[in-house]
Amino acid sequence: DSGVTQTPKHLITATGQRVTLRCSPRSGDLSVYWYQQSLDQGLQFLIQYYNGEERAKGNILERFSAQQFPDLHSELNLSSLELGDSALYFCASSVEAAHYGYTFGSGTRLTVV
Amino acid sequence: TQLLEQSPQFLSIQEGENLTVYCNSSSVFSSLQWYRQEPGEGPVLLVTVVTGGEVKKLKRLTFQFGDARKDSSLHITAAQPGDTGLYLCAGAGGGATNKLIFGTGTLLAVQP
Repeated sequence: DSGVTQTPKHLITATGQRVTLRCSPRSGDLSVYWYQQSLDQGLQFLIQYYNGEERAKGNILERFSAQQFPDLHSELNLSSLELGDSALYFCASSVEAAHYGYTFGSGTRLTVV
Repeated sequence: TQLLEQSPQFLSIQEGENLTVYCNSSSVFSSLQWYRQEPGEGPVLLVTVVTGGEVKKLKRLTFQFGDARKDSSLHITAAQPGDTGLYLCAGAGGGATNKLIFGTGTLLAVQP
């Protein structure tokens, strides 16, 4: 157990639908990062939150949004889902700076049918 | 845009062989990390190197950060089936966000 909890582990949904992925960071970590991993794109940075505030945005689609709550857990919302959104979605957390390394959760495997 | 290219992409070797994985970029990084990822799991941090020319050893794994802090290598001695997995390098660019940019990955299979 890495200390980063992601739910659900698997998600199957239809095109056009909306889903919410949840992440609880490791105790004491203030930064949360969301990544998408697909076979052809590798691990792509989506968005970072630090202590409730958005810190950086990567290749995140407008159909996707995220937030970090006062208890530091984070949610990634994916809407108007397309087949191409099928991927593994990882949440990672760190104390403050990425310099010291991330702790990753086990991921959510999203399948859009 | 910062990019990290890893080579080789795939590697299949016999138990006991040595191997080296390379991670190259045209960008300078404040630190570089190596992760290993197994099927169905998230990447797990192996090591962080921060100083140009730094060499770190972790049992049979040796990590080196290039002098110019643009590249890195991972050398495994006497590979074992338990070393099988996806190896990812990741660079931290520094600054306020300090997010990690991940390399393209090297999939290693060690046959018994």
